Amino acid sequence: DVKVTQSSRYLVKRTGEKVFLECVQDMDHENMFWYRQDPGLGLRLIYFSYDVKMKEKGDIPEGYSVSREKKERFSLILESASTNQTSMYLCASSTSSRTGYEQYFGPGTRLTVT
Amino acid sequence: GESVGLHLPTLSVQEGDNSIINCAYSNSASDYFIWYKQESGKGPQFIIDIRSNMDKRQGQRVTVLLNKTVKHLSLQIAATQPGDSAVYFCAETRFYNQGGKLIFGQGTELSVKP
Repeated sequence: DVKVTQSSRYLVKRTGEKVFLECVQDMDHENMFWYRQDPGLGLRLIYFSYDVKMKEKGDIPEGYSVSREKKERFSLILESASTNQTSMYLCASSTSSRTGYEQYFGPGTRLTVT
Repeated sequence: GESVGLHLPTLSVQEGDNSIINCAYSNSASDYFIWYKQESGKGPQFIIDIRSNMDKRQGQRVTVLLNKTVKHLSLQIAATQPGDSAVYFCAETRFYNQGGKLIFGQGTELSVKP
């Protein structure tokens, strides 16, 4: 079974802090994604990566950065957390094998910025 | 019961009835579609997918119908059970795209009454 793990289920940070969210997948997937999920707004793509050291902006990249130094790990960084970044953050991965683009999701990190 | 995507985001059905969840997708060039189920406190999970060269695909208790003429996708759940209570998302993409980026719908909440 594909497993996508996220470093924390719940996180509370103060405004202005630097926040790291880590995601690890164990299926040797090429593609990895970071989303945020807010009530009424669905899943919004922040950044994605289709290869090591490659990154592409999604729909809402402002205030975020990412790092992908190893194939299995994709990190989301909030350089200076703000209260409007309080949200559920979901990581996902998928293969580029052309058999389909099913994304496998982690359990999510609920981040609260106070 | 029947839901019409964004306009009726909540669907309530009686246990044992069939459920129909609808989704209007946005891009006429999309040729691959996925349905996800998200239970409370968990990440989305893959249910079923369909490519645009098909009109219908069946899984275990679920059927996805695709109408490309009107850009409409539906998920039918037979004999709905309490464990089916969740938010259901449709997602669309072009099958051959670098990175496997998906576009998600807003979601429909399915509530099953015992």
